[in-house]
Amino acid sequence: DQQVKQNSPSLSVQEGRISILNCDYTNSMFDYFLWYKKYPAEGPTFLISISSIKDKNEDGRFTVFLNKSAKHLSLHIVPSQPGDSAVYFCAASAETGNTGKLIFGQGTTLQVKP
Amino acid sequence: ETGVTQSPTHLIKTRGQQVTLRCSSQSGHNTVSWYQQALGQGPQFIFQYYREEENGRGNFPPRFSGLQFPNYSSELNVNALELDDSALYLCASTKLAGGYNEQFFGPGTRLTVL
Repeated sequence: DQQVKQNSPSLSVQEGRISILNCDYTNSMFDYFLWYKKYPAEGPTFLISISSIKDKNEDGRFTVFLNKSAKHLSLHIVPSQPGDSAVYFCAASAETGNTGKLIFGQGTTLQVKP
Repeated sequence: ETGVTQSPTHLIKTRGQQVTLRCSSQSGHNTVSWYQQALGQGPQFIFQYYREEENGRGNFPPRFSGLQFPNYSSELNVNALELDDSALYLCASTKLAGGYNEQFFGPGTRLTVL
C-alpha cells in the first residue's frame, strides 16, 4: 500500500518557467512533509519541509503548498534552472515532527531545458 | 565537518550469502536511519537506531538487522540474501533534539545479488 504517491514519473520544463511537482498521501496521521532532491550517485539532499499546521512554506525559489483536506502537497520552483534537473522525492513522517522515519514517494524526474 | 559516509560503494553477492554495510554518521548526530531504494522507487524505511538501540522498524523481515556503535556509526546486516534485496541502501543521520531535525543522507551502497 503506497501511502505517499507521486503520480508523475517525469516532468520537463523550460528554463525560467515554473516547475510544479505534485504528491498525494493517504494517511491522515502524517504531520510533517519534506521534499528531497537527488542527483545520480549522491544521496538525497533536503530541500524544504512543511508542518501540517501550515499550508505554505517558502525558501527562495522553492515553495511547498499543503492541502490537508485533499491530502495533497506540491513543490513549486520559480524560476526553474538547468541545475534543478534531478529526481525529486516527497516524504512524510507519521510521528510528531521530523523523527527521521520517513515514508517516501516514488520520485519525479525533473528536466529543465536551457 | 565530515558528512555521512557509507562503505562499500558497490557490492556483488550471491543468493544465500550475508552482507554487512557500514555508515559513519555526521559529527554530532546521534541517530542513524537505514533505507532501501529499489530501482525506480523511493527509499523505503528499514529501521532507525538512536543511542545504540533500535528505535523503530519498517516492514522488513528479521534477516535485516543492525547495530549502532558508541561513536554513532552503524551497520546494516542482511542474512540469506535474496535477488529482491538488490537495491541502493542509504543511511541518514540526524540529531534528535526536539523540533526540526534535518536528516543528512550518505551516497549509498549499491548491492547486487546474483
